Amino acid sequence: NAGVTQTPKFQVLKTGQSMTLQCAQDMNHEYMSWYRQDPGMGLRLIHYSVGAGITDQGEVPNGYNVSRSTTEDFPLRLLSAAPSQTSVYFCASNRGTPNTGELFFGEGSRLTVL
Amino acid sequence: DAKTTQPTSMDCAEGRAANLPCNHSTISGNEYVYWYRQIHSQGPQYIIHGLKNNETNEMASLIITEDRKSSTLILPHATLRDTAVYYCIVRDRGSTLGRLYFGRGTQLTVWP
Repeated sequence: NAGVTQTPKFQVLKTGQSMTLQCAQDMNHEYMSWYRQDPGMGLRLIHYSVGAGITDQGEVPNGYNVSRSTTEDFPLRLLSAAPSQTSVYFCASNRGTPNTGELFFGEGSRLTVL
Repeated sequence: DAKTTQPTSMDCAEGRAANLPCNHSTISGNEYVYWYRQIHSQGPQYIIHGLKNNETNEMASLIITEDRKSSTLILPHATLRDTAVYYCIVRDRGSTLGRLYFGRGTQLTVWP
């Protein structure tokens, strides 16, 4: 059981380049989300999705796009990378039932924008 | 959204109980308290959650005060592997199920 898989684990970009961080889960979870983590800032929610075709913004959505065409995948797109987007990115999923709060996280993707 | 306040850091001797406090004075009636931890460079890991009753699982115990304005996560016999950042989170009642806001957490250091 792979759980939540993120790729790539490391990436270096130049300012203005675009890229997509991939996230896939094999647990048939309806809910998926993206967080970024910066030193001393905890985890901040970027975007989330409650099911295929449905997405919404979190705390820090600017500069990022998402889509959810399947239950399994939730890619995060940076259309024009900026140094301020240098961070560690975590994807998470959960079953989304009322009494379940357990988020399953991926191992993270470390992005550096020069 | 209900916010949480945690100490920045704590330490604990190996084998002793670690008690991590959290204040959530603006918590609403339907909001759950969740605890996660993050070991260096890894993704966060779920520990436990509760509404108003005390909860216990194989990892920890969660004690929520009667007025629900604060809670304590208890690791009964801390080990070196419990050194991590611990996040206390209150679920956003007004948002979609599962949306959680993480703050800065408490860095717990367990020493030999």
